[in-house]
Amino acid sequence: DAGVIQSPRHEVTEMGQEVTLRCKPISGHNSLFWYRQTMMRGLELLIYFNNNVPIDDSGMPEDRFSAKMPNASFSTLKIQPSEPRDSAVYFCASSLASGGFPGELFFGEGSRLTVL
Amino acid sequence: GDSVTQMEGPVTLSEEAFLTINCTYTATGYPSLFWYVQYPGEGLQLLLKATKADDKGSNKGFEATYRKETTSFHLEKGSVQVSDSAVYFCALSDSGPTARQLTFGSGTQLTVLP
Repeated sequence: DAGVIQSPRHEVTEMGQEVTLRCKPISGHNSLFWYRQTMMRGLELLIYFNNNVPIDDSGMPEDRFSAKMPNASFSTLKIQPSEPRDSAVYFCASSLASGGFPGELFFGEGSRLTVL
Repeated sequence: GDSVTQMEGPVTLSEEAFLTINCTYTATGYPSLFWYVQYPGEGLQLLLKATKADDKGSNKGFEATYRKETTSFHLEKGSVQVSDSAVYFCALSDSGPTARQLTFGSGTQLTVLP
């Protein structure tokens, strides 16, 4: 079975450029999460969706970050304009939440972003 | 709010040594507890879980017992292997209508030397 699929795996860009990261969750899952991982701050939850609706975006650093989930099988995280401090590994995860239980999170392999 | 505190790393052990990674938590309600593992270059994956007090989660020789009285969920393995080298994350999720996300600890880097 296909797991969570993220693209691109690696992205190198220059400061000021727009970056779009993509995620395809596991089919049938109803919750999707975007995390950022850095050495300094560890694993941070940026935003999560339930049934394609954003539930909590309090972790989104600032207005330069935006996330969408137009349908159950696709989500994007966009950074515009990008800055060097955005360099990190961005993970997408999905789960099947039910009965007040969030379910096991399945993570993608991550998108490593480097902003020069 | 909910929080998870993990043992500071990095931890370096020789092969076949005993492993303990401490994890304590603060939560309202009755949380479920998890250990996730992240191998180099990969995303996190669930290692084991426990959903109520006194439950023991186990997988691949790793164990952790949900101790409500000490609010702890320490990870143990009797004999580590080089292939266990990874970052280990303790996490919790509270129960109820708002339980839609996990709270992760900061992670503990484990290196096992041959």
